[in-house]
Amino acid sequence: AQSVTQPDIHITVSEGASLELRCNYSYGATPYLFWYVQSPGQGLQLLLKYFSGDTLVQGIKGFEAEFKRSQSSFNLRKPSVHWSDAAEYFCAVRTGGFKTIFGAGTRLFVKA
Amino acid sequence: DTGVSQNPRHKITKRGQNVTFRCDPISEHNRLYWYRQTLGQGPEFLTYFQNEAQLEKSRLLSDRFSAERPKGSFSTLEIQRTEQGDSAMYLCASSLAGGGRQETQYFGPGTRLLVL
Repeated sequence: AQSVTQPDIHITVSEGASLELRCNYSYGATPYLFWYVQSPGQGLQLLLKYFSGDTLVQGIKGFEAEFKRSQSSFNLRKPSVHWSDAAEYFCAVRTGGFKTIFGAGTRLFVKA
Repeated sequence: DTGVSQNPRHKITKRGQNVTFRCDPISEHNRLYWYRQTLGQGPEFLTYFQNEAQLEKSRLLSDRFSAERPKGSFSTLEIQRTEQGDSAMYLCASSLAGGGRQETQYFGPGTRLLVL
């Protein structure tokens, strides 16, 4: 069955430090992968997506993610975190239809 | 701004009452999706439309739930005889057909439902 696992429920990083949010997926075919961010009371905003080609994808707000097929992972990274990055982050995989399966999310806290 | 809009943003109701939510997609988008998000979880797919046709429904969508998109524009999601377990954020998203699985879904701000 298709699934997405985000092992970290929450992460705290210092402002200016680097960030890596982990995501593992389970899907039999070629995965279409996404990272979304959700601020309190807001809908989801797409950060980046991977369909094919270069396994390192760049997104908005300085985020990037790397697809590793051998590890079934799609980890999100940012070299220097800003206080405004504090939010909940969701990894997702799109199945053969148009249904998107989301992970449970990782809440990011940024300390000054 | 012509993003996805949802109304109401918040709804408090008593158990057993019916509620209806509305979603207005981005104007040229012909695909529309409903998701449910409970506290501490990611969004879960409920159903999706292409134009006015409802093409897929999740098993989560019990008989008490019904969604419509009568003219292929806005959509409504109705919950009959609400239960406390229906308390959640209901998210709507839309996309423009033609990109296949590569389509980007744009999400609205959601309607938060609390059933007392």
